[in-house]
Amino acid sequence: EVQLVESGGGLVQPGGSLRLSCAASGFSFSRDAMHWVRQAPGKGLEYVSGITSNGGSTYYANSVKGRFSISRDNSKNTLYLQMGSLRAEDTAVYYCANSLAIGAHLKDWGQGALVTVSS
Amino acid sequence: DIVMTQSPDSLAVSLGERATVNCKSSQNVLFDSNNKNYLAWYQQKRGQPPKLLIYWASIRESGVPDRFSGSGSGTDFTLTISSLQAEDVAVYYCQQYYSTPYSFGQGTKLEI
Repeated sequence: EVQLVESGGGLVQPGGSLRLSCAASGFSFSRDAMHWVRQAPGKGLEYVSGITSNGGSTYYANSVKGRFSISRDNSKNTLYLQMGSLRAEDTAVYYCANSLAIGAHLKDWGQGALVTVSS
Repeated sequence: DIVMTQSPDSLAVSLGERATVNCKSSQNVLFDSNNKNYLAWYQQKRGQPPKLLIYWASIRESGVPDRFSGSGSGTDFTLTISSLQAEDVAVYYCQQYYSTPYSFGQGTKLEI
C-alpha cells in the first residue's frame, strides 16, 4: 500500500522558515517524480513545486520561486520542501504527491500538513 | 503559464441524474508526438486529500466507478458522471501536466 506522510507543519511568523518532510513507502520512491501541492483554507488546489526522480531538475510556481526549495533523499525515501521568507498567503495545507515522471498525472497523495503563517 | 478554467463553479444534480463539469485550458495540452492530452481530473471530498479519477483526459484510474468518464482534446475537456450517487458529492478539479508549473482549475463543487 502506498503511503505518503507529511510532517513539519506548524505555526510560523511572517518572514520565518519551515521545512516540510514527506515520508514515502509502498512504491519505488527513487523511480517517481515528486510534487508539493497546497490548498489555502476554503480555497482550491495550487501547484507549488516538483522534482525529478534523481533530483536533477526542479520546478516551482511563480508565487514561491526564490523562497521555497524542493529536494529529496532517495536513500531515506523522503521528500522535502524548505520554505523561507514566509508570508500570510503561504498559509495552507501542503500535500505531497507522486507521479511516474514529470509530465504525468499525480497518482497518490498524502493527508497533508498545515502551515500557518501568522504573528 | 497555462491557465485552467472550469465551469460551472458549482452544480446541483439530482440522484441518478447526469452531471457534467467543463474545463478549458489557455493553451493546447495535446502533445502531437504521442497524441496524448496531458489532462487529469481529481475528486476531493470534504476533509480529504484529492483523489485521481481520470488521466490522459479519458483513462479511468483503477478502482474508479465506470459512471465517471472524461472526454475532450486540445483545450476543451469534460468530466461526466452518468448517474450521480450520494458519495459523489465533492469538489472536482482538472489539472494540466503538459508544462511546468502544473496548474489546476478553480474547482467545481458538486451537490445533490
